[in-house]
Amino acid sequence: DAGVTQSPTHLIKTRGQQVTLRCSPKSGHDTVSWYQQALGQGPQFIFQYYEEEERQRGNFPDRFSGHQFPNYSSELNVNALLLGDSALYLCASSSLGGLKPPGAFFGQGTRLTVV
Amino acid sequence: AQTVTQSQPEMSVQEAETVTLSCTYDTSESDYYLFWYKQPPSRQMILVIRQEAYKQQNATENRFSVNFQKAAKSFSLKISDSQLGDAAMYFCAYRRRSARQLTFGSGTQLTVLP
Repeated sequence: DAGVTQSPTHLIKTRGQQVTLRCSPKSGHDTVSWYQQALGQGPQFIFQYYEEEERQRGNFPDRFSGHQFPNYSSELNVNALLLGDSALYLCASSSLGGLKPPGAFFGQGTRLTVV
Repeated sequence: AQTVTQSQPEMSVQEAETVTLSCTYDTSESDYYLFWYKQPPSRQMILVIRQEAYKQQNATENRFSVNFQKAAKSFSLKISDSQLGDAAMYFCAYRRRSARQLTFGSGTQLTVLP
């Protein structure tokens, strides 16, 4: 049973560019949440997708956008990259909008470096 | 807004000994979940243990147990018989039952000494 998979594992982008990160949820899960984890800090919630719609959003600017596909996989897009966007981006999958226990299962993350 | 505080940036423990990691949280809600996640160098967040606020009994998972003090808003993690593989960053997290997001603390880096 494949867990949560994210791609790519690492990437380097230049300030001002755009980036797309991808996530495939754990088998049987229909909900994907995205988190940003800056170095030395805990993850911060970006948004969650369920039934192909953004259901909840954290305190992130509109430069951060996403999409969920019919197969439940998801993309995170970040436009006009800033140096401060350098972080580990974690994808978490869960069931039924994320409201059902036991909770979220995480992928290994994508390390984004903006230079 | 809910906040989660982990006041111990770093902890160390001898192999086979017991260590307790602290976590406090602030919320006006009465129905919520609390979690401990482990993040090893592989970066993947692994769920260690979960506590439901309406359950008075403290959760236990093998060598891991919690001390949940709802009135004090305290949620500590005890690791018994520590093993080298327990070395990782540990995060305390909170989720209101009806909410979709996890709120994490800043983490505690645990070192296990052989």
